[in-house]
Amino acid sequence: EADIYQTPRYLVIGTGKKITLECSQTMGHDKMYWYQQDPGMELHLIHYSYGVNSTEKGDLSSESTVSRIRTEHFPLTLESARPSHTSQYLCASSEYGGTARNEKLFFGSGTQLSVL
Amino acid sequence: GQQVMQIPQYQHVQEGEDFTTYCNSSTTLSNIQWYKQRPGGHPVFLIQLVKSGEVKKQKRLTFQFGEAKKNSSLHITATQTTDVGTYFCAGKTRTGFQKLVFGTGTRLLVSP
Repeated sequence: EADIYQTPRYLVIGTGKKITLECSQTMGHDKMYWYQQDPGMELHLIHYSYGVNSTEKGDLSSESTVSRIRTEHFPLTLESARPSHTSQYLCASSEYGGTARNEKLFFGSGTQLSVL
Repeated sequence: GQQVMQIPQYQHVQEGEDFTTYCNSSTTLSNIQWYKQRPGGHPVFLIQLVKSGEVKKQKRLTFQFGEAKKNSSLHITATQTTDVGTYFCAGKTRTGFQKLVFGTGTRLLVSP
């Protein structure tokens, strides 16, 4: 089954701190995503990547940034965390075929971020 | 932008009762996927539907894709406590860059 890992699982930090949420996958998937999800709510796409050196902003405006230097690694960085950033952050990956029609997403276990 | 709504938002059933969640898109979709998220967990892929009017079954779960490819449904027959969770549909548009847009989700609670 899917091997996609997120660390840390939980993070509590103070306002103004810089943080990086880690996401790695060992499936060789080209496409990776970051979603933000509040408890019991829908998932909002904040960043995605087609592959190495490719990053795009998603539908939900976010003050975070991402990088994709290696296929397997897609970290998300918040330069200055605020209480409004408190949420669950889910990383996902998928194979990227030419037609992009069969794009099953594999999700990591998520990082629950609390900014005080 | 594209919106995907699900109804109901929440449903509480007794074990053994049936359950249905409906997914409606504001735009025509190229395909639709369904995911299940257990409480405290992450979404897990269930199935993908591609063809107009397609129906697929997985044991007690039946998935349908509408003829116009703008709506879908998930029906669970004789619910069990293990069915508890939030069910999300996720649709992909037919135009432009094909991104998955997740629905608002239906939270299912099953009492024994």
